[in-house]
Amino acid sequence: AQTVTQSQPEMSVQEAETVTLSCTYDTSENNYYLFWYKQPPSRQMILVIRQEAYKQQNATENRFSVNFQKAAKSFSLKISDSQLGDTAMYFCAFMKHVLNSGGYQKVTFGTGTKLQVIP
Amino acid sequence: DVKVTQSSRYLVKRTGEKVFLECVQDMDHENMFWYRQDPGLGLRLIYFSYDVKMKEKGDIPEGYSVSREKKERFSLILESASTNQTSMYLCASSPDRGPYEQYFGPGTRLTVT
Repeated sequence: AQTVTQSQPEMSVQEAETVTLSCTYDTSENNYYLFWYKQPPSRQMILVIRQEAYKQQNATENRFSVNFQKAAKSFSLKISDSQLGDTAMYFCAFMKHVLNSGGYQKVTFGTGTKLQVIP
Repeated sequence: DVKVTQSSRYLVKRTGEKVFLECVQDMDHENMFWYRQDPGLGLRLIYFSYDVKMKEKGDIPEGYSVSREKKERFSLILESASTNQTSMYLCASSPDRGPYEQYFGPGTRLTVT
């Protein structure tokens, strides 16, 4: 079974600064997907960024980037130029590669990191 | 835009009541999920459905059942609600092809008294 660990229950960052959220996972799979989801207060969870394990290049989406270390099983999220709207709960998630259509898309989530951006 | 809706944002029920939580998605997604979200525990999968009338147990199915009679609708049923089922319930859907992003509903905060 896969496990996902987020060791930082809460973090804070000054507006315009950079912050890194940690995530480690445990799996025996070689092909898989990793995700960071964001859940703003009282709002729906949305995808921030995704990474396919077979891709060596780290994914980037505007101010959000990841540091994917496959050998270390680490998948951290870096938020640059933090904004007040980044205040949210952030969840790291793992999904093993789906072999064919209709495959079981079980996603394992971490326990979350609550990020507060301070003005 | 993908839209996933849930029938109630807040629900208060009494112990022993039968509770129905409804979820509807409008993007023709094959897969639908029910999660439970508790502080410090993250999201835990209750049930998953990959097709109409098909279902798979997740990590914590005890005390719950599900129904998927139509592709767009996935219902979570608490046969006899108990206080330890007080929680936030999230529904999600995803397509049957990459990149496998899950789209979430707004959640239902259920309180069982």
